[in-house]
Amino acid sequence: GENVEQHPSTLSVQEGDSAVIKCTYSDSASNYFPWYKQELGKRPQLIIDIRSNVGEKKDQRIAVTLNKTAKHFSLHITETQPEDSAVYFCAASRGGADGLTFGKGTHLIIQP
Amino acid sequence: NAGVTQTPKFRVLKTGQSMTLLCAQDMNHEYMYWYRQDPGMGLRLIHYSVGEGTTAKGEVPDGYNVSRLKKQNFLLGLESAAPSQTSVYFCASSYARTYEQYFGPGTRLTVT
Repeated sequence: GENVEQHPSTLSVQEGDSAVIKCTYSDSASNYFPWYKQELGKRPQLIIDIRSNVGEKKDQRIAVTLNKTAKHFSLHITETQPEDSAVYFCAASRGGADGLTFGKGTHLIIQP
Repeated sequence: NAGVTQTPKFRVLKTGQSMTLLCAQDMNHEYMYWYRQDPGMGLRLIHYSVGEGTTAKGEVPDGYNVSRLKKQNFLLGLESAAPSQTSVYFCASSYARTYEQYFGPGTRLTVT
């Protein structure tokens, strides 16, 4: 089955700086790669996703890049703000009805 | 729209007891999923359903059963709870033609 590795497990950045979280996956048939943000005690919330026919996708301060050849994808957050502090999860799926395989999460800390 | 809801929010069980977790969605989604989340781990897929009357096993199905008698509801059952099933359980749903999964608020289950 699919295996998703996520790094780093904890990331601390100064407010206003950029943050990058990286994931690798093992199943070459995976074609859907979402990123979820989870605040303490809350549900995971989809913040951005990308499909395998696209190399990059951007939504305001958040961007995701995908390298299918190397089987890795990354989340980029620019101009970080205190409200960006949370745990971020990457995931991979073959799409359709297939469930998501998640990484173990990155605790992002924004230092004032 | 309430989106995805879960009942109950919290529960404490003794080893060997049984219980059912209820997930309901009002978005007319075809696909529904049950995940568990343990500390320091990403979410892991327990079971999923592609439609009314159909279920399938995910990554960690042992000790759980599911049923989907109505399109809007997906039930997760624990027949004989074990301490290893202490976790936060999340339900999710999605449309068949898109891949985005929407999560419920979670059920925190403790088995003593």
